[in-house]
Amino acid sequence: EAGVAQSPRYKIIEKRQSVAFWCNPISGHATLYWYQQILGQGPKLLIQFQNNGVVDDSQLPKDRFSAERLKGVDSTLKIQPAKLEDSAVYLCASSSQGGYGYTFGSGTRLTVV
Amino acid sequence: GQSLEQPSEVTAVEGAIVQINCTYQTSGFYGLSWYQQHDGGAPTFLSYNALDGLEETGRFSSFLSRSDSYGYLLLQELQMKDSASYFCAVRDHYNTDKLIFGTGTRLQVFP
Repeated sequence: EAGVAQSPRYKIIEKRQSVAFWCNPISGHATLYWYQQILGQGPKLLIQFQNNGVVDDSQLPKDRFSAERLKGVDSTLKIQPAKLEDSAVYLCASSSQGGYGYTFGSGTRLTVV
Repeated sequence: GQSLEQPSEVTAVEGAIVQINCTYQTSGFYGLSWYQQHDGGAPTFLSYNALDGLEETGRFSSFLSRSDSYGYLLLQELQMKDSASYFCAVRDHYNTDKLIFGTGTRLQVFP
């Protein structure tokens, strides 16, 4: 089966600019997650979708971050405006109903200068 | 609050056995997972423990003690390719699909 697809692989932007990341989960996986991983740290959940509904966005900085999964399949994560501290790898993952293992994409490495 | 503690770094030689410990404090607990992440790569699922005891998958084993809020990952017959970061992650009791990750342990295997 195809894995979790993410694009772009790398992105460099200036602070205060906007950026968007795209994720296509494994076919049939109802749950999709966006994680932020700062260098040297573990992944931190930003938002969790079940189909096209939000399950948990308690750690999403909503003043600058937004995410959507309109048709319950692929998803986009947007940052506007970006800050220096947003420099991180943004990982998308998906899981099947009742499954206990996530499949992660390769991530997007964002550098804000 | 929720926190998971792991050693920041572990070193070992090829062929050796290494144990990576994880202690957790969570408001709700459903199970403990382990993930491997090579530099620049995606985390990949290794194992999952919902009940106390040892789970074995090839060279890797994972252990859980719910009463001690403690688990470990045991890697045997270490190979150079095992050099990576290892993360324990707790499944949240109230949202069982949600994983909360530890800070990770960087394992370096030397020849």
